[in-house]
Amino acid sequence: DTAVSQTPKYLVTQMGNDKSIKCEQNLGHDTMYWYKQDSKKFLKIMFSYNNKELIINETVPNRFSPKSPDKAHLNLHINSLELGDSAVYFCASSQEGRAYEQYFGPGTRLTVT
Amino acid sequence: AQSVTQPDIHITVSEGASLELRCNYSYGATPYLFWYVQSPGQGLQLLLKYFSGDTLVQGIKGFEAEFKRSQSSFNLRKPSVHWSDAAEYFCAVSGGSNYKLTFGKGTLLTVNP
Repeated sequence: DTAVSQTPKYLVTQMGNDKSIKCEQNLGHDTMYWYKQDSKKFLKIMFSYNNKELIINETVPNRFSPKSPDKAHLNLHINSLELGDSAVYFCASSQEGRAYEQYFGPGTRLTVT
Repeated sequence: AQSVTQPDIHITVSEGASLELRCNYSYGATPYLFWYVQSPGQGLQLLLKYFSGDTLVQGIKGFEAEFKRSQSSFNLRKPSVHWSDAAEYFCAVSGGSNYKLTFGKGTLLTVNP
């Protein structure tokens, strides 16, 4: 069983479109994260949710909106996609109080043309 | 603010040779330090972590790292590299159990046969 899964694995879309990436974890963790990894492999946190509540919200454009329907899911919706949004997006999860030990999903490679 | 510097963007070693990947951190108090590995097309996996106590920590896959406060360093080592160790390695720092992780820019390891 996959611990942290993301769909889709690849996403190619045009500028201006709206798209969503889904993430699910079956580890029973309370906290979930979204990271963006740019073309230079730099990994930066975007959001963190704990028990469906937003606890970290880095400087990210308002076009990005995370949604957590329950603590096992954290989806990322992106409006009005731009070329600079092209990146690999990773979802991760951790137990409460163990934010340092995160389990990562396989990533979603988003390409905006 | 916490930060991590990985001075080497790319390192190439021969299989069976020893390996040391450098990591320097900046943090005002005692940091939590981590090494993650990202295999091609995969998410990140935690190799090892340091919180306190013994400054030499052992991790998975035969890796170890040594915390040196005087040098603000947390270098990763392995005595004999295997071809399967070829991957991107990320050092990360955190201020505590519930604090976010800040990653370095990664070091790409290539292993020659």
